[in-house]
Amino acid sequence: SQKIEQNSEALNIQEGKTATLTCNYTNYSPAYLQWYRQDPGRGPVFLLLIRENEKEKRKERLKVTFDTTLKQSLFHITASQPADSATYLCALDFSGNTGKLIFGQGTTLQVKP
Amino acid sequence: DTAVSQTPKYLVTQMGNDKSIKCEQNLGHDTMYWYKQDSKKFLKIMFSYNNKELIINETVPNRFSPKSPDKAHLNLHINSLELGDSAVYFCASSAGLADTDTQYFGPGTRLTVL
Repeated sequence: SQKIEQNSEALNIQEGKTATLTCNYTNYSPAYLQWYRQDPGRGPVFLLLIRENEKEKRKERLKVTFDTTLKQSLFHITASQPADSATYLCALDFSGNTGKLIFGQGTTLQVKP
Repeated sequence: DTAVSQTPKYLVTQMGNDKSIKCEQNLGHDTMYWYKQDSKKFLKIMFSYNNKELIINETVPNRFSPKSPDKAHLNLHINSLELGDSAVYFCASSAGLADTDTQYFGPGTRLTVL
């Protein structure tokens, strides 16, 4: 069955370092992959969408890569700040143009000052 | 202006009761969703509507019934509440059903069944 896996263990890094989060998926070849941020007690907020032919996408301090051979996406936050502390979710539309997103379980990032 | 709003934010009720959660979006989107996030933080889709038409109906007990009176509203009614229904329920909307149509989430409704 189709599956998305993110590292469920929290990631703790020092302010100013680069945080790298991983999203792996199986049994599917998605055309798009999305990343969301979720703060405690709030709904997820969309960050970035990357297409299969884009390999890499950037937005300010955020960078996402998409390796369809490895079936993996990496999400990087450079020059991390304590305000970046949150849970980051990757999501795929497994059903093709149905709006049905399957989310990974998320990785919690803690940036320490 | 709040893009996607839900009421109530907290809902505490007894087992066996019937309750509703309301959702409204002012983004002019065609598609709305209900998700359930359990204690382990897994976010799972329950339903979606596109232009008031039911598109996605996951394997959700039929005690859960969504209702979309118009494109801007998608309410969730739950009958005979059970302990296992305790979770955070998120409403979301998107412009449409395309893969590139990102979803905008509401603030969530924390349901506690006692």
